[in-house]
Amino acid sequence: AQSVTQPDIHITVSEGASLELRCNYSYGATPYLFWYVQSPGQGLQLLLKYFSGDTLVQGIKGFEAEFKRSQSSFNLRKPSVHWSDAAEYFCAVGTYTGTASKLTFGTGTRLQVTL
Amino acid sequence: DTGVSQNPRHKITKRGQNVTFRCDPISEHNRLYWYRQTLGQGPEFLTYFQNEAQLEKSRLLSDRFSAERPKGSFSTLEIQRTEQGDSAMYLCASSPRGGGNEQYFGPGTRLTVT
Repeated sequence: AQSVTQPDIHITVSEGASLELRCNYSYGATPYLFWYVQSPGQGLQLLLKYFSGDTLVQGIKGFEAEFKRSQSSFNLRKPSVHWSDAAEYFCAVGTYTGTASKLTFGTGTRLQVTL
Repeated sequence: DTGVSQNPRHKITKRGQNVTFRCDPISEHNRLYWYRQTLGQGPEFLTYFQNEAQLEKSRLLSDRFSAERPKGSFSTLEIQRTEQGDSAMYLCASSPRGGGNEQYFGPGTRLTVT
């Protein structure tokens, strides 16, 4: 069965500093990988996705992520964090069997941004 | 495209009561999903529809839970005889026809069972 590990429960960075959020997955086949962001009391917004091809994917709000098959990782990065980036970030792996489709999420990383 | 909408946004109910939530997906999306999210956790898959057919149900979905998507458009999730352990955020998502798995989430319905 697939699983996702986000080893950092909580990260604090200063505004303007760079950010890297870690994500490791376990899945037997080539994964579909996603990063979502959730603000308090809100649903999830898709930041970016990886299906195939270029292992460095660009997303919205200046985020990018790199798929590394050898490390089973899909870390999220941003070169300069803004105060509005404070939120909960979830990594997910998607499985699609032709008739069933679902996402398996990690437990999330809460990002705090200090001014 | 107005996004995925969910109603109500908040629901407080007493233990033992029945509750029903509604989800309206993005109009051209044929796939619809329900997830449950408890405090400090990521969303957990509950069930999935392709058009009006319910194609997969998680073991998390006990007999007290039922979901429908009668005309392949909106969906309802009903919980009968609610328990305190049902308190959670219930999220609905939809995705378009075709290969990609990206899902677009609604704002969720927060259920509190007292």
